Amino acid sequence: DADVTQTPRNRITKTGKRIMLECSQTKGHDRMYWYRQDPGLGLRLIYYSFDVKDINKGEISDGYSVSRQAQAKFSLSLESAIPNQTALYFCATGLLGTDQETQYFGPGTRLLVL
Amino acid sequence: QKEVEQDPGPLSVPEGAIVSLNCTYSNSAFQYFMWYRQYSRKGPELLMYTYSSGNKEDGRFTAQVDKSSKYISLFIRDSQPSDSATYLCAMGDDYKLSFGAGTTVTVRA
Repeated sequence: DADVTQTPRNRITKTGKRIMLECSQTKGHDRMYWYRQDPGLGLRLIYYSFDVKDINKGEISDGYSVSRQAQAKFSLSLESAIPNQTALYFCATGLLGTDQETQYFGPGTRLLVL
Repeated sequence: QKEVEQDPGPLSVPEGAIVSLNCTYSNSAFQYFMWYRQYSRKGPELLMYTYSSGNKEDGRFTAQVDKSSKYISLFIRDSQPSDSATYLCAMGDDYKLSFGAGTTVTVRA
């Protein structure tokens, strides 16, 4: 089984709808991240969490919210989706702050907002 | 100005050639440096990791970090068609990573 899973893998929604993207991990990491990827812009950080009680905004958090339900689960919500939120969304877990610095990515969710 | 700059390419090379990729950055607090490989419709996977300055070699891959110049490089020797992917540089401090836009590489058989 994959260490980091994301559901759904693909989603089409309409402007104004609320949607939730879910992420689960079995790596036992405390740190979890949500990114979006757009052509030419690379990966941009939306939110990150260092533990269940610690949520932090990234560089592009407007229009998004998150919930850390447990150490292993981190959900991203779009309260009222808009077309420019069409992108590829990645969840990642990490060991930042240790000497084995890295992040492990899920397979991504492809979101289309009509 | 972006915190991390990476030429998006695309880069096309014949099989067996050396692929050279690089990134520049502006944040002197960065101390962790990584290269990720991303195949089409897949999530990024870690390729190389370097802490602070120096070189690191792993098989056909060599990563170099020059903190004085704020410049990192990735070299792929004896490139193979299976190396065709997008390569993302990433760097960070103790809290989070910043990514380059990615360079798309095609190795022609």
